[in-house]
Amino acid sequence: EVQLVESGGGLVQPGGSLRLSCAASGFTFSSYSMNWVRQAPGKGLEWVSYISSSSTTIFYADSVKGRFTISGDNAKNSLFLQMNSLRYEDTAVYYCAREPGNYSGGFDYWGQGSLVTVSS
Amino acid sequence: QSVLTQPPSASGTPGQRVTISCSGSSSNIGSNPVNWYQQLPGTAPKLVIYRNNQRPSGVPDRLSGSKSGTSASLAISGLQSEDEADYYCAAWDNSLNAWVFGGGTKLTVL
Repeated sequence: EVQLVESGGGLVQPGGSLRLSCAASGFTFSSYSMNWVRQAPGKGLEWVSYISSSSTTIFYADSVKGRFTISGDNAKNSLFLQMNSLRYEDTAVYYCAREPGNYSGGFDYWGQGSLVTVSS
Repeated sequence: QSVLTQPPSASGTPGQRVTISCSGSSSNIGSNPVNWYQQLPGTAPKLVIYRNNQRPSGVPDRLSGSKSGTSASLAISGLQSEDEADYYCAAWDNSLNAWVFGGGTKLTVL
């Protein structure tokens, strides 16, 4: 059974840092591209970042470029999101999601989400 | 403001057919397949249509997708109370090098 489990969320002050993790199981992690998607309270879905299966291709949303870093560890079947210089508007539930196709098949599995709250 | 445009709300009575639209541009829907997600309250999104009109295993055939030019649609026939959820369209954008989402449509079963 495919499972994605996020962790690392919590309360952080503006300007602070947080590292999210996504533990994958039930599939060959190294064969899939992965993404982070977030959802602010009461708002819609916003894509955050993409990493290819080989980690050679990485993309970021303009809203997080230069502040967030996505990475993957195939040996640990894990995806990470290092978030620096956090802002109030980064408050959201962060989901990791598996992408089976090259920019075409959507995200077929999602984690349960990890809440990040940026507040003073 | 979302790159893809969806109506904020839609509604129907049990048994009816409802359609949700999604409008984009040549760099996203016009060039790439559209995917649709269903999000029930308090849960993670679920893929219900991929590559314009394909249903993942387990998704009922009451849900169908279509695409024409720079627009796409999700249709739900034989509406049921369990279909009440938020629905999002998404596509890859070649100009932004980003996945773009619609703002979401809240479907209410009256």
